[in-house]
Amino acid sequence: DAKTTQPNSMESNEEEPVHLPCNHSTISGTDYIHWYRQLPSQGPEYVIHGLTSNVNNRMASLAIAEDRKSSTLILHRATLRDAAVYYCILRDSREGAQKLVFGQGTRLTINP
Amino acid sequence: DAGVTQSPTHLIKTRGQHVTLRCSPISGHKSVSWYQQVLGQGPQFIFQYYEKEERGRGNFPDRFSARQFPNYSSELNVNALLLGDSALYLCASSLKVAISGTGSRDEQFFGPGTRLTVL
Repeated sequence: DAKTTQPNSMESNEEEPVHLPCNHSTISGTDYIHWYRQLPSQGPEYVIHGLTSNVNNRMASLAIAEDRKSSTLILHRATLRDAAVYYCILRDSREGAQKLVFGQGTRLTINP
Repeated sequence: DAGVTQSPTHLIKTRGQHVTLRCSPISGHKSVSWYQQVLGQGPQFIFQYYEKEERGRGNFPDRFSARQFPNYSSELNVNALLLGDSALYLCASSLKVAISGTGSRDEQFFGPGTRLTVL
């Protein structure tokens, strides 16, 4: 399984943008980049995913480097509810099984 | 609409016992996956079931088994419990197995988990 590297923790202020980085230098051409987050005492929840182009949805934006060896999850205006562990995951699109390989993730703290 | 439900929410067992954890997927979802999350770690994949067949298995011993029922609910069984089996067990459902090669939007919806403590 291709590996990702994320900072252990990050801190930001409420109502400010947050950029969560992820390095995946061994990414293959068939790997999709997925982001999930896990709020305290809850199961993980899907945030966004992409392959090559930048992606936007109601929760966040995903910026993917041109060489695809890194990506950044962008929360445009953080709220206290965004405090969670964020996981960057590579998923091989060739696989039929929906195995998600979670790393340690980044623990995001939002200050009021 | 109800999300993924899991039962029980908490469970305490002793070493050597066995345990059965239950999961009900979102209505209409045919795929169920199980994950183990040890404190301070990310979830680790155990099994995936689709249409009552095992479609994937993680690196877990044979003490771990699972099955999926005709209504798509699922059970995870763990025999001969060890202290190291203490963890949060998460169930995730999705509409179907991802179509290979398409990277389709196969997001998984996770339940709140069952906290298992082995003494």
